[in-house]
Amino acid sequence: QVHLQQWGEGLLKPSEALSLTCAVYGGSFSAYYWSWIRQPPGKGLEWIGEVNHVGATNYNPSLKSRVTISVDIFKSQFSLKLTSVTAADTAVYYCARVPSWSNWFDPWGQGTLVTVSS
Amino acid sequence: EIVLTQSPGTLSLSPGERATLSCRASQSVSSIYLAWYRQKPGQAPRLLIYGASSRATGIPDRFSGSGSGTDFNLTISRLEPEDFAVYYCQQYGSSLYTFGQGTKLEIK
Repeated sequence: QVHLQQWGEGLLKPSEALSLTCAVYGGSFSAYYWSWIRQPPGKGLEWIGEVNHVGATNYNPSLKSRVTISVDIFKSQFSLKLTSVTAADTAVYYCARVPSWSNWFDPWGQGTLVTVSS
Repeated sequence: EIVLTQSPGTLSLSPGERATLSCRASQSVSSIYLAWYRQKPGQAPRLLIYGASSRATGIPDRFSGSGSGTDFNLTISRLEPEDFAVYYCQQYGSSLYTFGQGTKLEIK
């Protein structure tokens, strides 16, 4: 059974870059897209972007200028980088799997709270 | 961008009752691209329904999804204590995933 484990820096200052990594345990890595989704405290969900095993990416246009999602197939890991963060980027960030033949998220990582504060 | 609007914002019911949650899209959504999730406090969302009406692995049959076009529903036939949580619908279109704002299902 597949399991996603994520980690990264939890406290950033404005203008710094957010960096998170998600490791995939179990199951195929190449048959899926791998996504990042975020949720500001007390609010709803926002899709950030996705990457597949060969590094092809799709990004939310609202964040595209600041986002890079990359993949390391040898480690079965994928990463998120978000530059020039502000307080508005404070959120719980989740990684999730998307089957290449579908468009839903399952399973999800445990989530990482990232706080941007001076 | 397709906007999903969920109603009601909060639904107050008792265990054992039936719940119907609504998700309305700003334009037509292919049913195969509509999913529902449940999020318990402090946890990541969990997939309940995909393709508008198919239950995900391990999801009990008290959960059912229906709808097409712009109007979709999630029905929980008999509420269990663990069902009191926030529910989100999600769609995919034009290379963009969007979520509804959520419906909070609370104990009456």
